[in-house]
Amino acid sequence: DAKTTQPNSMESNEEEPVHLPCNHSTISGTDYIHWYRQLPSQGPEYVIHGLTSNVNNRMASLAIAEDRKSSTLILHRATLRDAAVYYCILRDPRYGGSQGNLIFGKGTKLSVKP
Amino acid sequence: KAGVTQTPRYLIKTRGQQVTLSCSPISGHRSVSWYQQTPGQGLQFLFEYFSETQRNKGNFPGRFSGRQFSNSRSEMNVSTLELGDSALYLCASSLPGTSGNYNEQFFGPGTRLTVL
Repeated sequence: DAKTTQPNSMESNEEEPVHLPCNHSTISGTDYIHWYRQLPSQGPEYVIHGLTSNVNNRMASLAIAEDRKSSTLILHRATLRDAAVYYCILRDPRYGGSQGNLIFGKGTKLSVKP
Repeated sequence: KAGVTQTPRYLIKTRGQQVTLSCSPISGHRSVSWYQQTPGQGLQFLFEYFSETQRNKGNFPGRFSGRQFSNSRSEMNVSTLELGDSALYLCASSLPGTSGNYNEQFFGPGTRLTVL
């Protein structure tokens, strides 16, 4: 799996938008970009994933650069509950039968100030 | 729908002992994966099981093993425990994927293992 690079930490104010960047300059054409987050004292949880087009769901939006070498996870209005470590992960769905081995980096620790 | 459950939640063992951790996946999920999380190494993949067969293994010594039962429940075992095995052990389940498709993984709360 290709490598991703994320800032170690970021801070945000409550109810403001947060943009979490991820660089993946060696991404292949078939790699999907996934985001998971881990709240304190919990297991990771899925946030969003995409291939080329920007994606939206109830939790967040994913903006993918045109060259796909970087992406940004957008939390539209941060809440205290969004304080977590956010992981950007690349996955190749051609190996759909073996999807369990997510390769986690260090992630970005997001702090949200009231 | 009930989430992934892991038992026990906390465990204290001494060096040289062995330990078995249990994971019950979400109903209908047949793929179960195990991860180890430590402050130094972060989240690392241990192994993945599907239909009672191990189909992926991470870079861990043979002291780490697992199995999956016909009801998709899974156990992992660590023999001859070392201090460095102290970690949070996470289990994740997902629907089986097909080529070209991806199913999100649902993680349990983990088992906190302390080796003294």
